[in-house]
Amino acid sequence: AQRVTQPEKLLSVFKGAPVELKCNYSYSGSPELFWYVQYSRQRLQLLLRHISRESIKGFTADLNKGETSFHLKKPFAQEEDSAMYYCALSSGSARQLTFGSGTQLTVLP
Amino acid sequence: DAGITQSPRHKVTETGTPVTLRCHQTENHRYMYWYRQDPGHGLRLIHYSYGVKDTDKGEVSDGYSVSRSKTEDFLLTLESATSSQTSVYFCAISEPGQGAHGYTFGSGTRLTVV
Repeated sequence: AQRVTQPEKLLSVFKGAPVELKCNYSYSGSPELFWYVQYSRQRLQLLLRHISRESIKGFTADLNKGETSFHLKKPFAQEEDSAMYYCALSSGSARQLTFGSGTQLTVLP
Repeated sequence: DAGITQSPRHKVTETGTPVTLRCHQTENHRYMYWYRQDPGHGLRLIHYSYGVKDTDKGEVSDGYSVSRSKTEDFLLTLESATSSQTSVYFCAISEPGQGAHGYTFGSGTRLTVV
């Protein structure tokens, strides 16, 4: 069975500092991985998917199959980045998502 | 407008009562999903649907049932609510071929079972 692990429940950084949110996965097939973000009182939104290899709001994530990781990075954090971040893996015939437990990021002024 | 609405937005109910949550979409997407969000657990899949009358269980389906009689509506029913079902429930939709990047989430229903 697939599993997604986010080891940090809470993460605080100062504005302008680099930030890395960790995500590790276990999956027997070829993984399709995503990062979702949930700002306060808002619905979940897709931030990144590994296939597209794009940068959204300054965030990037690289899939490392050897380490089974998909860490989310941003070189200079902004206060508006404060939110809950979820790593997720897609699998199954209906492309169901398996989520990690989430990391609450707080960017301090 | 995200094309997906959940109702009610908030509900308080008593233990042992039945509760039905509704997810309505205007996107004509084939796949619909119900997740619950709990601190320390993230989002966990309850049930999902491939299409009208086609549903399947997710990771935490015990105590829940679903129905999809129309493409646009996906109902989640708690047959006899328990305090452990106090949670925030999210509905999502997607379309085959779009992959999970096509997921759109609803705004959530906050359910409290007292």
